[in-house]
Amino acid sequence: GEDVEQSLFLSVREGDSSVINCTYTDSSSTYLYWYKQEPGAGLQLLTYIFSNMDMKQDQRLTVLLNKKDKHLSLRIADTQTGDSAIYFCAESYTGGFKTIFGAGTRLFVKA
Amino acid sequence: EPEVTQTPSHQVTQMGQEVILRCVPISNHLYFYWYRQILGQKVEFLVSFYNNEISEKSEIFDDQFSVERPDGSNFTLKIRSTKLEDSAMYFCASSAGASSGNTIYFGEGSWLTVV
Repeated sequence: GEDVEQSLFLSVREGDSSVINCTYTDSSSTYLYWYKQEPGAGLQLLTYIFSNMDMKQDQRLTVLLNKKDKHLSLRIADTQTGDSAIYFCAESYTGGFKTIFGAGTRLFVKA
Repeated sequence: EPEVTQTPSHQVTQMGQEVILRCVPISNHLYFYWYRQILGQKVEFLVSFYNNEISEKSEIFDDQFSVERPDGSNFTLKIRSTKLEDSAMYFCASSAGASSGNTIYFGEGSWLTVV
């Protein structure tokens, strides 16, 4: 069945780059997403990538997709304390009605 | 920027009571969803709704749950007889479909506590 796996924690120093990794199992995944959740808040879409792309850059965010290995990563350059949150990897596919989420990676940014 | 709005933001209810969670999706969106997140756990899909009917639902979405789009703007989730394990954050979401990358936009959530 569909599954999305992420490591649970990541700790970085302010100013360093953060790399959050994700693997998924559904080879028919067409869209892959990164969402951010701050404490007590909703899910904020950060970025998404189509499965026919291997990279997408948006300001400090870089998404890399290795479709062969079903591996997705999110790199945050110059990580700030305001980036501390839980980051969810998610997938969906064309014609599907649901999005499958990973368990989330909690990013701690140390000043 | 258009957003999904949900009410109430918090609700405490007694076990066995009915609860209705309300949502106003983004106005030009066609697909509507409910997800839930038990404290500290994964975001779980409950149900999707398109063209005035349920298009997909998970095992969690049993007979205790129902959804409705009573008018052109609201989308509701009803839990008929709440159980303690229904305590969770419930997220409403909407999307325009494949034309926007299937991207789902979430509301801020309704935190339900069943006591």
